[in-house]
Amino acid sequence: GENVEQHPSTLSVQEGDSAVIKCTYSDSASNYFPWYKQELGKRPQLIIDIRSNVGEKKDQRIAVTLNKTAKHFSLHITETQPEDSAVYFCAALFYNQGGKLIFGQGTELSVKP
Amino acid sequence: NAGVTQTPKFQVLKTGQSMTLQCAQDMNHEYMSWYRQDPGMGLRLIHYSVGAGITDQGEVPNGYNVSRSTTEDFPLRLLSAAPSQTSVYFCASSYSAAATGNTIYFGEGSWLTVV
Repeated sequence: GENVEQHPSTLSVQEGDSAVIKCTYSDSASNYFPWYKQELGKRPQLIIDIRSNVGEKKDQRIAVTLNKTAKHFSLHITETQPEDSAVYFCAALFYNQGGKLIFGQGTELSVKP
Repeated sequence: NAGVTQTPKFQVLKTGQSMTLQCAQDMNHEYMSWYRQDPGMGLRLIHYSVGAGITDQGEVPNGYNVSRSTTEDFPLRLLSAAPSQTSVYFCASSYSAAATGNTIYFGEGSWLTVV
């Protein structure tokens, strides 16, 4: 069945360091991989996404890489700032299974000043 | 353009009661879905719909019903509430699930407590 695994569940970094969050997915037909940021008590917000025909995408301090062969994708945040502290979720669109968007378990990122 | 609107924002139910969480979007989105969020469990898909008249089960559908009679509305019904259904519920929509790159928009969430 469809499954998305996300690691680590918690991540603590010093301000200015980089943070990396990794996800794997089960269905090789998945073709869309968004990342969401959720602050406490608020709704998830899309921060970056990548399609299956692209290996890497960058938006300022945030980048996402995709390895379709290995079925994993990663979020990279450089020069972290305290306002990056939040829970981050990866997701994969299981198109062949009716268009389900399945989320990973989440990573709580803490950036210490 | 209000986006995705969920009601109520907070609700306390007694075990065995039924209720409906409302979700409406004014963006003419084909795809709508319901997730529940529990600590350490991420967002788990309950039910989803790819268009009016079409619904399907997600990862955790038991105890919930949905219908999609219009493009705009996608209510989630709890048939007989149980304490295990205490959670935060998010409704989400996008233009189409079939096309990649369609941003999925979330509602503000509904906090449900079953006692």
